[in-house]
Amino acid sequence: KNQVEQSPQSLIILEGKNCTLQCNYTVSPFSNLRWYKQDTGRGPVSLTIMTFSENTKSNGRYTATLDADTKQSSLHITASQLSDSASYICVVITNSYGGSQGNLIFGKGTKLSVKP
Amino acid sequence: NAGVTQTPKFQVLKTGQSMTLQCAQDMNHNSMYWYRQDPGMGLRLIYYSASEGTTDKGEVPNGYNVSRLNKREFSLRLESAAPSQTSVYFCASRIGQHYEQYFGPGTRLTVT
Repeated sequence: KNQVEQSPQSLIILEGKNCTLQCNYTVSPFSNLRWYKQDTGRGPVSLTIMTFSENTKSNGRYTATLDADTKQSSLHITASQLSDSASYICVVITNSYGGSQGNLIFGKGTKLSVKP
Repeated sequence: NAGVTQTPKFQVLKTGQSMTLQCAQDMNHNSMYWYRQDPGMGLRLIYYSASEGTTDKGEVPNGYNVSRLNKREFSLRLESAAPSQTSVYFCASRIGQHYEQYFGPGTRLTVT
C-alpha cells in the first residue's frame, strides 16, 4: 500500500530558530510531491511542489528537498516566525489513478509550534 | 474568485439525523474531493469526483453519499449521523490529476 510517513509528529522551537521536517514515502509510480501548510481552523494551502527531477526548491524562508532515490523529502524553515506555527503536511501524487486513495497520498502532518 | 466555499462552517447533529454539506468552487476545476480530518489521523478521502458526472469511493465512504450536481458543486450527505462521524470535513478541488489541490475552509461537525 502507498504510504507517506512524517517526522517528527510535533515540534516546538523558539522564534528565529531554524527547523527541518521530514517526509518518507513508499509511493509508486511517483509523479510529484507537495508540502502543504495548515493553520489552525483552516484548510491546507500548498507551499511548494517537487517533481522527480528537482532536488531543491525554495519559497521564501521555506526550502524543500527531494531525494527520489531514497524516497525522502524535507522541508527546512529558516528564521522561524510566530506565524509559522501550523501543521505541515507532505502529499505524494502518484501516476496511478483511481483506487481508494485517489492519486494523492497524505502524510499525517507535523505540528510546529513557534514560541516567542 | 472565492475559491472553494463550504457551508455550513459548524453543525451539531443528534445521532440519526441527516444533513448535507455543500461545496462549490469557482475555478472551473474538473476534480472535486471530500475529506475528513481527525486528530492523529490526518486527512482521509471519503469520496471524489474526477470529472463532472463521475464519483468514486475513497478510503472511508461508509455512512456517506455524494452528488456532483454540476461542475461547480459537490455535496456530501450523511443519511443517519453517528458519533463516529464527528470530525472536520474539507472539500477540495483541482483542475487535473497532477495539479495543485485547493481546499475549502472546512465544516466542523459534532454528532451527539
